[in-house]
Amino acid sequence: GDSVTQMEGPVTLSEEAFLTINCTYTATGYPSLFWYVQYPGEGLQLLLKATKADDKGSNKGFEATYRKETTSFHLEKGSVQVSDSAVYFCALSVIGGATNKLIFGTGTLLAVQP
Amino acid sequence: DTGVSQDPRHKITKRGQNVTFRCDPISEHNRLYWYRQTLGQGPEFLTYFQNEAQLEKSRLLSDRFSAERPKGSFSTLEIQRTEQGDSAMYLCASSSVQGLSDTQYFGPGTRLTVL
Repeated sequence: GDSVTQMEGPVTLSEEAFLTINCTYTATGYPSLFWYVQYPGEGLQLLLKATKADDKGSNKGFEATYRKETTSFHLEKGSVQVSDSAVYFCALSVIGGATNKLIFGTGTLLAVQP
Repeated sequence: DTGVSQDPRHKITKRGQNVTFRCDPISEHNRLYWYRQTLGQGPEFLTYFQNEAQLEKSRLLSDRFSAERPKGSFSTLEIQRTEQGDSAMYLCASSSVQGLSDTQYFGPGTRLTVL
């Protein structure tokens, strides 16, 4: 079945460090790919998305490129801030089926230290 | 656009009691989803509505769970005879398909604790 695998956390970085959170997927159809972020005590917020191969999603300095050949959607940011500390979830949905339910990875906790 | 809202935000109940949660989606969204998230895990799909029709239910949704969306607007999720294993965050999301894109927007969740 469809699935998402994320790198395990926690990831601890110093402020202004470069961030990569790896995400790979398995899907039978043509998925759309998403990164959601969950700040402490809050709900899930959409961070960025990509709907087809080679698309790059970007928002708030974060980027991820839909790589069909490696079935990956790694999240990157050039310079993290303390305010980026949160749990990051990679997810997919397969458009065109009965539903467009999201399938999530287990999440990666990012802790940014001043 | 006020976003997706959920009520209550927290619920503490005793084992065996029934609980009901409410979700109000973004007003123009015709699709509504329920997910469950346990500690340290990603959300897992429970059920999906398109307008008032419930089109898919996960195997996670036992007979003790029922969901409705009577007029295609708000939705309720009821858990009967709660068990300690039902303790989790229950998330609601809504969306409206635009072309090939179906982006789901989540509410703040209802955290259920079963004692």
